Amino acid sequence: ETGVTQSPTHLIKTRGQQVTLRCSSQSGHNTVSWYQQALGQGPQFIFQYYREEENGRGNFPPRFSGLQFPNYSSELNVNALELDDSALYLCASSLGTIQGALYGYTFGSGTRLTVV
Amino acid sequence: AQTVTQSQPEMSVQEAETVTLSCTYDTSESDYYLFWYKQPPSRQMILVIRQEAYKQQNATENRFSVNFQKAAKSFSLKISDSQLGDAAMYFCAYSWAGGTSYGKLTFGQGTILTVHP
Repeated sequence: ETGVTQSPTHLIKTRGQQVTLRCSSQSGHNTVSWYQQALGQGPQFIFQYYREEENGRGNFPPRFSGLQFPNYSSELNVNALELDDSALYLCASSLGTIQGALYGYTFGSGTRLTVV
Repeated sequence: AQTVTQSQPEMSVQEAETVTLSCTYDTSESDYYLFWYKQPPSRQMILVIRQEAYKQQNATENRFSVNFQKAAKSFSLKISDSQLGDAAMYFCAYSWAGGTSYGKLTFGQGTILTVHP
C-alpha cells in the first residue's frame, strides 16, 4: 500500500486545454511535491506545498499551478497545454520539508498525461 | 545548481549475481543526502537506500549497499544476489535541507536494470 494515491492514472488532452491532476497524501503528511517525468528521463521538480502554501518552485512557467487542502489532498493544474507537457506526473509527500529532504518522500504511481 | 549524473543508461545482470550502478553529483554544499530510488513498471518510485553525507560509513539495506565517495562526489549502488524482482529503472537523487532548496529531490537520468534468469 503506497499511502499516496493519484488520479486519474491516464489522461489524454488536446493542446490548449486545461487539466487538473489529483493526489491524496498519507495522513499527517504536510508537505507535497509534484514532479514531471518525461519518457525515459528522471523526474523534474515542479513545486512544493507546505501547509497549503507554495514554498518552492522549479523551472516551470506560471501555467503550472497547484493547491493543497487541509485533508492532505492536493491538485496540480496545467493551463494552455502544450505537446511537451506530455509526461508522467508524480506526487510525493512527507511529514515536512526537512523530513522529506532527510528521509525521502513517499511517491504515488503517477498520472500519465498525453497531449495531442 | 546541483546536478546528478548517471552514465549508464542500461545495465544487465544474471540472477544471483552482483551489479553496480554508478552515480556522480555536483554540489557546493557539505551537508546533504543521497538516495537511490527504484521505479518498476508500476511507475511508483520506491526508496531503496539513503546516505547522509556527513556519515563516512556506507549505508546498507539487506542486499543493497552503496559506495559513497564524498571527495569524488560519487555514489554507486551495489545489488548483491540479484533477483528478478530487482528489474526496474533506478534513479540516483540528491537533496539538501537548507537554503532555498525546499527539500526538493534532484534526480539523475536513470539506469534501466535487466535481470536475466
